[in-house]
Amino acid sequence: ETGVTQSPTHLIKTRGQQVTLRCSSQSGHNTVSWYQQALGQGPQFIFQYYREEENGRGNFPPRFSGLQFPNYSSELNVNALELDDSALYLCASTGQGYYGYTFGSGTRLTVV
Amino acid sequence: AQSVAQPEDQVNVAEGNPLTVKCTYSVSGNPYLFWYVQYPNRGLQFLLKYITGDNLVKGSYGFEAEFNKSQTSFHLKKPSALVSDSALYFCAVRDNDTGTASKLTFGTGTRLQVTL
Repeated sequence: ETGVTQSPTHLIKTRGQQVTLRCSSQSGHNTVSWYQQALGQGPQFIFQYYREEENGRGNFPPRFSGLQFPNYSSELNVNALELDDSALYLCASTGQGYYGYTFGSGTRLTVV
Repeated sequence: AQSVAQPEDQVNVAEGNPLTVKCTYSVSGNPYLFWYVQYPNRGLQFLLKYITGDNLVKGSYGFEAEFNKSQTSFHLKKPSALVSDSALYFCAVRDNDTGTASKLTFGTGTRLQVTL
């Protein structure tokens, strides 16, 4: 079975720009979550998608938005990038009857 | 609100010695508890989880963790440390209330340094 894959692995954006990060969930998993991990900190929950709808959100502003597609893959979109958005963005998937989460390797976003 | 505390920023241990990485948690209901390891510039790798059952949970790479409900702790242990175990370790908790999104709340991480 394939794990969680994220793309791109790294990218650099300018303040004020918009960015889209992508995630393919592990085979058989229908729920995708996104986390932001700032340098030296633990991952922080951004939001979760199940059946193409957001069903939970952390303390992040509306400029963080997402999508989930029928094949359970997902996108994280961030508008009006700020310097503090620089972080490792992690995608995780899980499925019914599976209590754990499989994480991808992350996308390192640098905002300059 | 659920929370996790990892009281040690760093743990140093000699190779071959036992190691313990501490974690305490707070949730409103019964917890689902996890340990993940992160190597530099990498994502999170799953080590083990406690859902229910035996308080001693065995996981990957020889790691185990002991769930203690009265002390609300879930310490990670390994009988004999390896230099290759050096990494950043995260404890995480999920509230098993099905009415909430199944988010994980992570601790701030503990850096394990194993030396020869």
